[in-house]
Order: sequence, then structure tokens, then C-alpha cells
Amino acid sequence: GEDVEQSLFLSVREGDSSVINCTYTDSSSTYLYWYKQEPGAGLQLLTYIFSNMDMKQDQRLTVLLNKKDKHLSLRIADTQTGDSAIYFCAVWYSSASKIIFGSGTRLSIRP
Amino acid sequence: DAGITQSPRYKITETGRQVTLMCHQTWSHSYMFWYRQDLGHGLRLIYYSAAADITDKGEVPDGYVVSRSKTENFPLTLESATRSQTSVYFCASSDNPVTDTQYFGPGTRLTVL
Repeated sequence: GEDVEQSLFLSVREGDSSVINCTYTDSSSTYLYWYKQEPGAGLQLLTYIFSNMDMKQDQRLTVLLNKKDKHLSLRIADTQTGDSAIYFCAVWYSSASKIIFGSGTRLSIRP
Repeated sequence: DAGITQSPRYKITETGRQVTLMCHQTWSHSYMFWYRQDLGHGLRLIYYSAAADITDKGEVPDGYVVSRSKTENFPLTLESATRSQTSVYFCASSDNPVTDTQYFGPGTRLTVL
């Protein structure tokens, strides 16, 4: 079946890089997304990657896609306190014509 | 106000009551979605709509009813609320759920006693 998995928590020191990982099951996935949810708010799209790409960089954000292992990661360089949020991986499953969200990774920043 | 809004933002109700959560978007997006967010489950799709008068079930539709008589509105009704429906509900809209982002509302926190 369709599934998207993430670890629930990540804690990093301010200024370090954060790497949030995601695995998915359906190899027919075409678009893969990272959303950010700040406290008390809805989700906002951070970035997305098309399945024919291995990497996408956007300022402090780097998305890596390993299609063979069905693994997606989001790297945040120079993590700041404002990056504290829940980060959701989401995958468009072509076979089911729908987006499946992971359970979200709560990123905490240590001073 | 431009954007996507949800009302109410907070709701407490009792088991067995009918509750309707409202969602309104001003962009004329074709697609609209209802999700529930629960700890450990992330976001789960309840229902979605590709256009006015077209709705379809998501992962967890049982106990919910939707309608889409107008493009801009997508109300979600809990016909007979149960405690397991205590959750945060998010509405979202999109022009194209594949290539465009989904724009999320601020959420409705529903507590069923």
C-alpha cells in the first residue's frame, strides 16, 4: 500500500545543519514535497522535487532524492530558531492519484 | 479577505451531535481537501473535491459528509460526532494538486466530549 514514513523528532544545535529523512513505498511517485507547519498554523509548501531529479537546492534548503532506495531528505543549512516547526514529507502517488503525507518530524533547535 | 479561511477555529461538542466545519477560499481553485491531523498519524485525507459537485473519499471518510455546491466553499459535516473525531481539521485548496502547492487554512480544533 501507499505509505510515507518519517521519524517524529529531531533536535539540532543552532547554526548546525538539520537533515530530515523520509521514506516512501510507491516507485510510481512523480512529485515529492516538503511542507512546514509552524505552531498553530496550517502547512506551507517549502519545496518540491520531480522524480527525474536527484537534487534541488533553494537557498538554505537542499532536497536529495534517492529513487532506488525510495528515500527523500531535506537539509537545512545554518539552522535558526525560526526553523523550529514540524516538517512534513508528502508524495504524489500516481497509481492512486493522491498525495500522501508522512506523520511529520518535529524539529527543535538547541541554543 | 483573500485566501483560505476556516470556521470556527475552535469547537467543543458532545458525542452524537452534528457539527459542520466551514471552509472558504477566494482563489477559485478547482481542488479542495479536508484533512485531519492527529499525533502520530500526521495528516490524513478525509475527502476531496476536484470541482463543484464532484467529491471523492480519501483515506478516512467514515463518519463524515461533504458537499461542494459552490467552487469557493467546501463544508465538512460530522453527522453524529464521536470522541475519535477529536482532532485538528485542515482544509486546503489547489489549482493542481500535483504541480501546484496546496494552500492550507489555519485549522479547526474540534473536541468531542
